[in-house]
Amino acid sequence: DVKVTQSSRYLVKRTGEKVFLECVQDMDHENMFWYRQDPGLGLRLIYFSYDVKMKEKGDIPEGYSVSREKKERFSLILESASTNQTSMYLCASSDLLTSGELFFGEGSRLTVL
Amino acid sequence: KQEVTQIPAALSVPEGENLVLNCSFTDSAIYNLQWFRQDPGKGLTSLLLIQSSQREQTSGRLNASLDKSSGRSTLYIAASQPGDSATYLCAVPNFGNEKLTFGTGTRLTIIP
Repeated sequence: DVKVTQSSRYLVKRTGEKVFLECVQDMDHENMFWYRQDPGLGLRLIYFSYDVKMKEKGDIPEGYSVSREKKERFSLILESASTNQTSMYLCASSDLLTSGELFFGEGSRLTVL
Repeated sequence: KQEVTQIPAALSVPEGENLVLNCSFTDSAIYNLQWFRQDPGKGLTSLLLIQSSQREQTSGRLNASLDKSSGRSTLYIAASQPGDSATYLCAVPNFGNEKLTFGTGTRLTIIP
């Protein structure tokens, strides 16, 4: 089975801190995604990557950056966390060369105080 | 811009009943459609993926259909169980674009 692992299920950070959210997938997928999910707003795409060192902005990239140094790992970085970044963050991966099915991790619940 | 709608937003049915969840999309230029389930506080679990060349997919008690021309998909759940209680989301990508558009989901409650 495909496994997408997010390093932290729950984090509590203070305003202004730098935050790293890590995601690793074990199926050699080219595509990886970071979403945030908020009540009433659904899932919104922050960034995605279709190859190592490649990244594309999603719908809400402001305040975030990403890093993909290795194919299996996609990191989301909050350079200076703010309270409006309190949210559930979801990582996903897919392989468009096959079915294009999207697989998600368990999510990281971030609270910024 | 693709828009995906799921109606109703919430649904409660007694255990054992069959039920249908609906998903509508505005742009029929899709190459697949995927149904997910999400339990509270958890990530999304893929249930079924239908390619644009297919009309339906089945997995156990779940059956998903796709009608591209009308911009609709349905997820049929047979003999519902309390463990089916969750939020169900559908999502579609567009041709030439790896980004998915998600519906806002239907929150399903199965009453024992």
